[in-house]
Amino acid sequence: GQQVMQIPQYQHVQEGEDFTTYCNSSTTLSNIQWYKQRPGGHPVFLIQLVKSGEVKKQKRLTFQFGEAKKNSSLHITATQTTDVGTYFCAGRAGGYNKLIFGAGTRLAVHP
Amino acid sequence: NAGVMQNPRHLVRRRGQEARLRCSPMKGHSHVYWYRQLPEEGLKFMVYLQKENIIDESGMPKERFSAEFPKEGPSILRIQQVVRGDSAAYFCASSPPSGINEQFFGPGTRLTVL
Repeated sequence: GQQVMQIPQYQHVQEGEDFTTYCNSSTTLSNIQWYKQRPGGHPVFLIQLVKSGEVKKQKRLTFQFGEAKKNSSLHITATQTTDVGTYFCAGRAGGYNKLIFGAGTRLAVHP
Repeated sequence: NAGVMQNPRHLVRRRGQEARLRCSPMKGHSHVYWYRQLPEEGLKFMVYLQKENIIDESGMPKERFSAEFPKEGPSILRIQQVVRGDSAAYFCASSPPSGINEQFFGPGTRLTVL
């Protein structure tokens, strides 16, 4: 079945350093979504990427969707303590509504 | 517009009891998804429902687990004869009926089986 792999599992950074998490799918995706879950909280939608090679920015966050639509990345520039949490990618294949989530990357930011 | 509501937020059950988790989707949303999250782990898809229909239950254990989304009222995830391994956070998400959209998550139900 479809699988979505995400690395790294954990990332510890000093405040102000950059952070990147990578997502790879075993199958071509119709789109990919990114969610953030704060400790003790629930996943919150960040963004959706649909087009091959698409790049979207939200302030310090940059999201990319690979040319083959099988991989994606989230890059945070100059991390802040408010960036702490687990970042999940979630892929959708075809026109089906089911999302397959990656295992997530847990980000810790040390002041 | 209220978000996705789940209750109870915390549920404690003894082994062998039944657990009933409720989810009220956002207003206007007709698609409901249930996920299970073990401590320190990711979200595992369980089941996808539309009103009165189960669309995909490929992530549901074959025994003891069932889900429904009736015409009226919330979606229910039911776990019969709970075991310690069922202890987890159960999240419900909803999405609108048209298009392929983001999922809005509820606050989750933390189930603890003693």
